[in-house]
Amino acid sequence: EIVLTQSPDFLSVTPQEKVTITCRASQNIGYDLHWYQQKAGQSPKLLIKFAAQPFSGVPSRFSGSGSGTYFTLTINRLEPEDVATYYCHQGYALPITFGGGTRVEIK
Amino acid sequence: QVQLQESGPGLVKPSETLSLTCTVSGDSFGSPKYYWTWVRQPAGKGLEWIGRISNGGTTKYNASLESRVTISLDISRRQFSLKLSSVTAADTAVYFCAREAGTVAGSIGYWGQGTLVTVSS
Repeated sequence: EIVLTQSPDFLSVTPQEKVTITCRASQNIGYDLHWYQQKAGQSPKLLIKFAAQPFSGVPSRFSGSGSGTYFTLTINRLEPEDVATYYCHQGYALPITFGGGTRVEIK
Repeated sequence: QVQLQESGPGLVKPSETLSLTCTVSGDSFGSPKYYWTWVRQPAGKGLEWIGRISNGGTTKYNASLESRVTISLDISRRQFSLKLSSVTAADTAVYFCAREAGTVAGSIGYWGQGTLVTVSS
């Protein structure tokens, strides 16, 4: 099973600050890494697919990069509505696995 | 726009079988381009993939649950279902149904709102 390790576990940031979340895979997964946002009490929402492709309707302040075993999700200029937990997900091999999540709150 | 909605009992007794149904609206249900997927999330914890089924009925399950899981499809009713047998308190979670892209390593673009299932006597 491919293990995804996210860091940090928790971030407290001021509005308009830049946020970077990392996801490391236990083996090379190419570009088969996706990012989700989950707000409290809601289902996850797809933000970025295949490491760097924004999903339809996602604000441009969200971007992704990386390949192989190291990936990042960047939120440029954090907005209050971005308070959420963010998860990475690999579809490279079954079973599909998710990272442990990074909770982002406003300072 | 596809929409998914989970339904089923919110309380299941230990050792019994958890049964949930996901009803799909929108024009994609008969398409071979997608997998229909179940994911669960214990309170305050991360996401766990349970398994999926293709339009052709091919299933794949998480090995950690495979001996207890069955996912089935009813195209005429636009529904797919999850059965998890011999449940314990560890199976208490919010269960999400979702649509996964049928491409290799595809993303999960659409999710239901989730339904809480509690295992308790």
